[in-house]
Amino acid sequence: DIQLTQSPSSLSASFGDRVTLTCRASQRISKYLNWYLQEPGKPPRLLIYATSTLQSGVPSRFSGSASGTDFTLTISGLQPEDLGTYFCQQTFTVPRTFGQGTKVEV
Amino acid sequence: EVQLVESGGGLVKPGGSLRLSCTVSGLNVNDEAMSWVRQAPGKGLEWVGRLRRNTDSGTTDYAEFAKGRFTMSRDSSNNTIYLEMTSLTSEDTGVFYCATDRGFGGYRFWGQGTLVTVSS
Repeated sequence: DIQLTQSPSSLSASFGDRVTLTCRASQRISKYLNWYLQEPGKPPRLLIYATSTLQSGVPSRFSGSASGTDFTLTISGLQPEDLGTYFCQQTFTVPRTFGQGTKVEV
Repeated sequence: EVQLVESGGGLVKPGGSLRLSCTVSGLNVNDEAMSWVRQAPGKGLEWVGRLRRNTDSGTTDYAEFAKGRFTMSRDSSNNTIYLEMTSLTSEDTGVFYCATDRGFGGYRFWGQGTLVTVSS
């Protein structure tokens, strides 16, 4: 199975900060990497798919990139509605796998 | 508007069975691959299984823990997918979500989830 390791597991930032989250895959997954934000008590919400494509309706302060098997989600100017836990997911193959999550708080 | 609504969760004894439903509106379940994802209390997301589109054979794939115990199926007449779960243990406790699985396009649509509690 493909393992996804997210770092950090949690971070504390201030509103307006640039925030960078990382997800490392245990093997090649091409561009099949997605990012989700989950707020407490809610289902996950797709932010970015295929490494860098912004889901419709997601603010442009979110961006995604990759270098080999290292994937990055960047928030350029943290907003209150961005707080929650971020999960990466690979859909390159089955079993689908998720990272363990990064909790973003202030 | 696309909506996914899960139902069927509840309290079940260890060793028991449960069938979860995911009723979809705004999309045809025959034309979508669908997955189930679960989340234990306070934990991360865990993929359960996928039901391919009918045009992609309509077959299923499961996480190792689900093989032999869980079965996904589709009812086109009700535009609903199901997750039949047997031999449940306390480790199966959590919120179960259904979602559209578009591979390269990620999991775009999710239900609100249904809580399964396995306890004596």
